[in-house]
Amino acid sequence: DTGVSQNPRHKITKRGQNVTFRCDPISEHNRLYWYRQTLGQGPEFLTYFQNEAQLEKSRLLSDRFSAERPKGSFSTLEIQRTEQGDSAMYLCASSRGGSGNSPLHFGNGTRLTVT
Amino acid sequence: GQSLEQPSEVTAVEGAIVQINCTYQTSGFYGLSWYQQHDGGAPTFLSYNALDGLEETGRFSSFLSRSDSYGYLLLQELQMKDSASYFCAVSTDSWGKLQFGAGTQVVVTP
Repeated sequence: DTGVSQNPRHKITKRGQNVTFRCDPISEHNRLYWYRQTLGQGPEFLTYFQNEAQLEKSRLLSDRFSAERPKGSFSTLEIQRTEQGDSAMYLCASSRGGSGNSPLHFGNGTRLTVT
Repeated sequence: GQSLEQPSEVTAVEGAIVQINCTYQTSGFYGLSWYQQHDGGAPTFLSYNALDGLEETGRFSSFLSRSDSYGYLLLQELQMKDSASYFCAVSTDSWGKLQFGAGTQVVVTP
C-alpha cells in the first residue's frame, strides 16, 4: 500500500491560465474521489469515479472544471481559465468500493494559488 | 438544505475526555464517518457507524442515533498528538460519496 499520490504538491498560476492536477490512487481501489478544501472548512465534494465511469459531478462545480479517469487508474482534474476563487487545496481520495463502508484514503493534496 | 453541524473548537488537557457532537440534515444517509486531519496533512479515517449504537476503536469511540440525526466522537485519555481537526461526514449514497462538516479543532494542552 503506497498510498494515494498527488502531483504537483503546490501550483501557483495567474488568473486565466489552465491547470491540471494528477492523482494516482491505491492500486487495488476502484473508486476515486476529488474534493476541494479551503482554510477552516471541511472537504467539499467535486466528483467521483467507479473505475473509469464518472458517477457524479457536483452541481456547485462550473463548466471550467473537468475530470477524467482513463482506463480506471490515475485521474486528472483540469481547471480552465482559473479565477482567484479557485485557490484551495484539491484532495484526491480512493476506496475499495463494494458493499458496506469502505473508508476513503486521501492523498496529501495539491495546493493551488491563483494570483 | 443539507447541513452538518459540529462545534468549531474544543480545548482540553492531556488525559481528559472530549466529546465532539455532530448533527446532520442530508438528503440521503448511509452512515456517519469521522476523519482526523493534522495541520498540513491529509484527512485520515477514524470510524464509521451505519447503525445506531456505539463503536469502539481503542481510545476513540463513535456513537450514532439515526432517529435523532445525531452522532458523536469520544476521545479518551487525550494525548498531545490528538491535537488536530476532526470532521464528521455523512455517506449520502451507496457509492461512498461523503458530505463533510466544517470540522472541530481539538487543542490538547499539557
